[in-house]
Amino acid sequence: AQSVTQLDSQVPVFEEAPVELRCNYSSSVSVYLFWYVQYPNQGLQLLLKYLSGSTLVKGINGFEAEFNKSQTSFHLRKPSVHISDTAEYFCAVSNTGGFKTIFGAGTRLFVKA
Amino acid sequence: SQTIHQWPATLVQPVGSPLSLECTVEGTSNPNLYWYRQAAGRGLQLLFYSVGIGQISSEVPQNLSASRPQDRQFILSSKKLLLSDSGFYLCAWRGAGVNTEAFFGQGTRLTVV
Repeated sequence: AQSVTQLDSQVPVFEEAPVELRCNYSSSVSVYLFWYVQYPNQGLQLLLKYLSGSTLVKGINGFEAEFNKSQTSFHLRKPSVHISDTAEYFCAVSNTGGFKTIFGAGTRLFVKA
Repeated sequence: SQTIHQWPATLVQPVGSPLSLECTVEGTSNPNLYWYRQAAGRGLQLLFYSVGIGQISSEVPQNLSASRPQDRQFILSSKKLLLSDSGFYLCAWRGAGVNTEAFFGQGTRLTVV
């Protein structure tokens, strides 16, 4: 079975500062990895995904993430955040060939002016 | 293009009343369908998933049930709601046989009073 741990429940950061949201996963099989963003009272939108190939994945809104197999991590980064990036971010994993996507508990990013 | 509809957006129901939340997908065939519940600070909990008409897998024993009467329709139900059923319910779909990302509806905020 897979599991996902998001190491920070809340991350406050000033506008234009860099940010990293941490995600670790566990799985006994190969996995696909995802980051989603959720704005208040809305569904989730995909930011980026890692399926195979290059371990550095670029997504929408200037976000990127790096897959590190040895550390079983998939941390999300952005070099300069905006107020509009304030939202909740979810890391997710699904095993290759499986039906289920398992989500972490979420990290609330709060960007301050 | 594919779209997913989920309704109602908000719902306030008394304890002991029945529940029916509906989700429909357009623009795709034979999708995998999912119901998640989101409680504050606890991320997304997978409740049910379905890989075909009439095929329902339950992830967590609880007061809820799911049905898939048509290929692109997924219904979440309860005969008698509990206070603990309050939360934000999200429907999602994923392409059958392909391990792509999940696409989410806008969610239903259920408050049991």
